[in-house]
Amino acid sequence: EVQLLESGGALVQPGGSLRLSCAASGFTFNNYAMTWVRQAPGKGLEWVSVVTGDGRATYYADSVKGRFTIFRDNFKNTVYLQMSSLRAEDMAVYYCARNHLSCSHAACYDPWGQGTLVTVSS
Amino acid sequence: QSVLTQPPSVSGAPGQRVTISCTGSSSNIGAGYDVHWYQQFPGTAPNLLIYGDVNRPSGVPDRFSGSKSGTSVSLAITGLQAEDEADYYCQSYDNSLSAVVFGGGTKLTVL
Repeated sequence: EVQLLESGGALVQPGGSLRLSCAASGFTFNNYAMTWVRQAPGKGLEWVSVVTGDGRATYYADSVKGRFTIFRDNFKNTVYLQMSSLRAEDMAVYYCARNHLSCSHAACYDPWGQGTLVTVSS
Repeated sequence: QSVLTQPPSVSGAPGQRVTISCTGSSSNIGAGYDVHWYQQFPGTAPNLLIYGDVNRPSGVPDRFSGSKSGTSVSLAITGLQAEDEADYYCQSYDNSLSAVVFGGGTKLTVL
């Protein structure tokens, strides 16, 4: 069974840093790009970042560029999101998701993890 | 303001057919990028419902269907059931933003 399990969400002060992890199982991890999507409380979905299967290419939303870093460890089957200079507007549930191999002309995501909550507050 | 525009809410009675629209522009849907749909129940992660405009992942009932015309796509749900009550999001790619984009989401209420 394909599973994604996020961890690392916490309460952090504005300006602080946090690292999220997403442990994958049930599939050949390095064959898939992996993506982070977030959802602020009561709001819609926002794409955050993606890393290719080999980890060599990464892409970011403008809202997090320069503050967040996505990377992966294909030996540990884990993708990470290192977040720094956190702002109130970064507060959200962060989901990791596997890029679907059948979606090449615009990525799509299946499955998604259960999400981890990041709260930014003093 | 989302790049892809969805109605905030739709509703229908059990057994009826409802549609949810997703309108984009020439830099996303109109540029030929695929559109995907997700279903999200309260407090849970989204689930892929339709991919590549019209395709259903295995396990998704054929009551759910997608269509595309120009810069708009639609999700249709026939034979509406109480368990279909959820939030629905469309998603694509925008080449002017160089980013994945989501619609603002539509809350489906089954009356």
